[in-house]
Amino acid sequence: QVRLQESGPGLVKPSQTLSLTCTVSGGFISSGGYYWSWIRQHPGKGLEWIGYTYYSGSADYNPSLKSRVAISVDTSKSQFSLNLSSVTAADTAVYFCARGVVGGNPFDYWGQGTLVTVSS
Amino acid sequence: DIVMTQTPLSLSVTPGQPASISCKSSQSLLHSDGKTYLYWYLEKPGQSPHLLMFEVSSRFSGVPDRFSGSGSGTDFTLKISRVEAEDVGVYYCMQGIHLYTFGQGTKLEIK
Repeated sequence: QVRLQESGPGLVKPSQTLSLTCTVSGGFISSGGYYWSWIRQHPGKGLEWIGYTYYSGSADYNPSLKSRVAISVDTSKSQFSLNLSSVTAADTAVYFCARGVVGGNPFDYWGQGTLVTVSS
Repeated sequence: DIVMTQTPLSLSVTPGQPASISCKSSQSLLHSDGKTYLYWYLEKPGQSPHLLMFEVSSRFSGVPDRFSGSGSGTDFTLKISRVEAEDVGVYYCMQGIHLYTFGQGTKLEIK
């Protein structure tokens, strides 16, 4: 059974970098058959896709966030990470990690989500 | 960017009655490979979103057959034939033909 778990600081100061990690259990992160995404949900709002990475490290991002986002993978730890720089209060959100299947369904497994608040 | 627009944004349904949610995309979601990259997700209260429907009309594993999806090109619909209490939550459509964009969400509540 695949399980994803987000971790990281719940509070980040404005202008700093938000860093989160998603730990994947149940294997698969080293498989070329999947890609690994970050998605966020502003308080009381809808879902926004942030970006994804493959196990190879190849990544793609939401154009609206591309200048501030980096997603990386560490297959030795079965983890992938999100770095979002120069944060403001507008980046306060619940951040989810999720798995997609190459050539198949996007976001078939999700983490529980973690709330990150940007405040001084 | 592809914009996804859902209507209504909320609906209240009596158990046993049908429900329908519309989703329109700003561009066609029909790919040259013949697939239409339209998905539906449900976010139940206190839970992460989960996949309901893929490629317009295919139910994901474990999804009851009271859920059905239809549509083509830019216009899509999710229907619940007989709403049950466990169906409450926020429904999102999402396009996957060019990166990913979600609709605003439709909140379903029980009368």
